[in-house]
Order: sequence, then C-alpha cells, then structure tokens
Amino acid sequence: DAKTTQPPSMDCAEGRAANLPCNHSTISGNEYVYWYRQIHSQGPQYIIHGLKNNETNEMASLIITEDRKSSTLILPHATLRDTAVYYCIVRGFGNEKLTFGTGTRLTIIP
Amino acid sequence: EADIYQTPRYLVIGTGKKITLECSQTMGHDKMYWYQQDPGMELHLIHYSYGVNSTEKGDLSSESTVSRIRTEHFPLTLESARPSHTSQYLCASSVTSGPRAKGELFFGEGSRLTVL
Repeated sequence: DAKTTQPPSMDCAEGRAANLPCNHSTISGNEYVYWYRQIHSQGPQYIIHGLKNNETNEMASLIITEDRKSSTLILPHATLRDTAVYYCIVRGFGNEKLTFGTGTRLTIIP
Repeated sequence: EADIYQTPRYLVIGTGKKITLECSQTMGHDKMYWYQQDPGMELHLIHYSYGVNSTEKGDLSSESTVSRIRTEHFPLTLESARPSHTSQYLCASSVTSGPRAKGELFFGEGSRLTVL
C-alpha cells in the first residue's frame, strides 16, 4: 500500500467546515483512498472512500486531486463529537495489509 | 450498523496465563483482522484471514496465534501472557467481493488486556 502523510494535529471551530489533508504521492492506479476516524480508544469507524472522483455521503465529502497524489476530507459542519483521530489510508483491493499510520488528531473548539 | 463483537472488553491477568480473545461477526464477511494498539499510538496489523482455514501474519510480529475454523469466528490466543502483551486488541472484518463490497473495515469495540 502507498504511504500517506497527514498533519499530526488540527483545530477547527464548532460549526465550521473541517478540511483534513492527506498526501499519497506514490499511489498507484488501482488503489483507493479510505478515511477512518477513531474516537478516544474505540475501534476506528469508516467514513468514506474514493478512487478518482469526488465522493460525498452523510458524514463527509472526499476531494481527490486530478493527479490523485493528495486528497482532502471535508466535514461540512463540525461538531464537538467530531473530535477524533482521522486516518487516511491508501489500499488496493486484495491487499489486506492495511497500514493506518499516525493520522491527524482533530480537535473541535466550542 | 456493524455486527462485530469482541469479548472480553477488559481483562486483567497474571503472567504466564493462557488467554483467548474472542471475535465474532454476523455479517458473513470473508476477511477478518486483528490489530494491536497501545494508548495514543498507531494501530498495527498482527493477523488477518482471507476465509476459513486461512490465516496470515501481519506487519507487526506477535507471539499470539489465531484460527479461523468458522467464517464468523476469529479468536486470538496468547499461550503464556507477559506484561509486554499489555495493549488493546481490535478485531475487524470486511467484504471485498460481490455487490455489497466497498472494502471498508468494520471494527469491534476492542479488548483491553493488562498482564501483571
């Protein structure tokens, strides 16, 4: 799996959009970008994934650059419950050795 | 809603004891995983399984062993627990083929092991 780089921490004001960047410059053509988050010490929770098109679901939006070397997870209206560690992972189907990395610790400020 | 369960949630045990952490999922997922995570640290893959009778070691070397005799069950065993095994163990499952497949992992709530 391609290595990803994320900022170690970010703050965001409650009610504002939280934009979390991820660099994956060595991504290959058949690898997807997945985002998870982990609240406190609970099991990580899947948020969204994409290949090359932008994606949106009820939790977030995922913007992938045209060259696919980076992506941004957008939480449109952050709440205090969005405080968590967010992981960006690149994975090809059939490769089960998922590497989570250190992620971004997002703190939502009241 | 994910249906993956881990027991026990918390376990405090003495050195040298044998322990088994249970993980069960009712989603019919073919792939299952065990991750180890120390507080505030990264998740490390220690074991995974493609299906029944298939087990593989992950990236982090572990003295634990796993088995996959039934699709829904993926227990992890430590034959002789040591203080260095103190950690949180997270089980996950996924489906990567068929119309439902998105490849995402569904995690259990974890088993926090303390070895004295």
